[in-house]
Formats: sequence, C-alpha cells, structure tokens
Amino acid sequence: EAQVTQNPRYLITVTGKKLTVTCSQNMNHEYMSWYRQDPGLGLRQIYYSMNVEATDKGDVPEGYKVSRKEKRNFPLILESPSPNQTSLYFCASNPTVSSYEQYFGPGTRLTVT
Amino acid sequence: GDSVTQMEGPVTLSEEAFLTINCTYTATGYPSLFWYVQYPGEGLQLLLKATKADDKGSNKGFEATYRKETTSFHLEKGSVQVSDSAVYFCALRREWGSQGNLIFGKGTKLSVKP
Repeated sequence: EAQVTQNPRYLITVTGKKLTVTCSQNMNHEYMSWYRQDPGLGLRQIYYSMNVEATDKGDVPEGYKVSRKEKRNFPLILESPSPNQTSLYFCASNPTVSSYEQYFGPGTRLTVT
Repeated sequence: GDSVTQMEGPVTLSEEAFLTINCTYTATGYPSLFWYVQYPGEGLQLLLKATKADDKGSNKGFEATYRKETTSFHLEKGSVQVSDSAVYFCALRREWGSQGNLIFGKGTKLSVKP
C-alpha cells in the first residue's frame, strides 16, 4: 500500500530533551516536507526537501532540523524542544516538486512540558 | 505575502443540507487552488483542485470553481452526509518559486447531524 508513515504517533517529552520524529514514504517520491498544525493557524511548512541531500527552510524552521540521506526517509529533529513546539506534525510527499497532490502522513502529536 | 482566508467554523448542518465554505486568496500570478479534507485522527487528503481561472474541481459531490475576478474558491456540496464531518482546508500553491509548498487556510470544521 502506498503510504507515508510517521513514528511515533504520540510523544510527550520534557524541555531540552532531543527527539526525532521519523517519516518514510514508499512511493519513490522526490519531494518531502514537514508541517505543523496549530489551532487557529492551519498548517505551516517547517522544512522541505526536493531530493536526496537537498533540504531548505519553510515558513517556520526555527528550532527544527531535518536530513535527507535516503529518498524514502525525511526525519524531523528537535535538538532542544520547548513548550511552544507542542503541536501536531505532519509529513507529506509529492512525486515531484511540481506535482499537484501532496500525500500526508497520519500525524504525530507532540507535547513538550 | 500570499495567503488564504476561509470562513471561521465550526459549521453544523443537518444531513442533506446544502454546504458552502467560503475561501478567498491573495497571491501574485496564477496560483493553483486546492481543497483538502482531514477526517478525525487522520492526515489531510486532497479533495479537489483547480489549476487555472474558471476551472471547476469536483469530487465526491463537492465542487469548487476558481474565480480569478473575485479571488475565490468556495467549496459547495448539494446534500451533505454525516460521513462528510471533517475539517476542510483551502490551500494555494504559488505559480513561481513555490518550492512545491502549499499555503493553507486555518481550516473549517464541519459537523453534520443525522
């Protein structure tokens, strides 16, 4: 089944404890991105990647890192999480940067205390 | 900058009622426009799209027409069902330099009562 998977789905952590949220797609898509969803703000893009070893900042990149060493994986790294990063995170992928449809993962709900 | 504005929710309707969710946008050039739907506990799914002025996107009984003169892309459905209860997001993708990313509205929660 073609899909985007994220792990974990739920995570509660404390301020300053490094964490990684994994994202993997099995559709051989070139383009991947991370969004956060907050009440009243909709979805905002954090980082994106046009292909392996090609990543760039989205609209709200502060406090996050990403890497793209393999085409299928695009982990989101929070080196020192803070409470304002409590949010619902979505990974998404497109076949190419110009493709119309983005395929979203199921989401990761992160709480930072 | 580019932006999407959609009507505040929540919207509560009875089954078989007519649905309209308003969406307007601000963008330079000729963006592509989308409606995504998010069912409870799930990620977003593309519902329909329109890539140029006067295009009508349609899917699952939902429709939206790209109106450049009013910069709008309102979502409509003639008869909603309980299974349509979800959050609906209007989104645009810029024509140039978009890096593929979407600009989303804040979302409108729809609840349909039997």
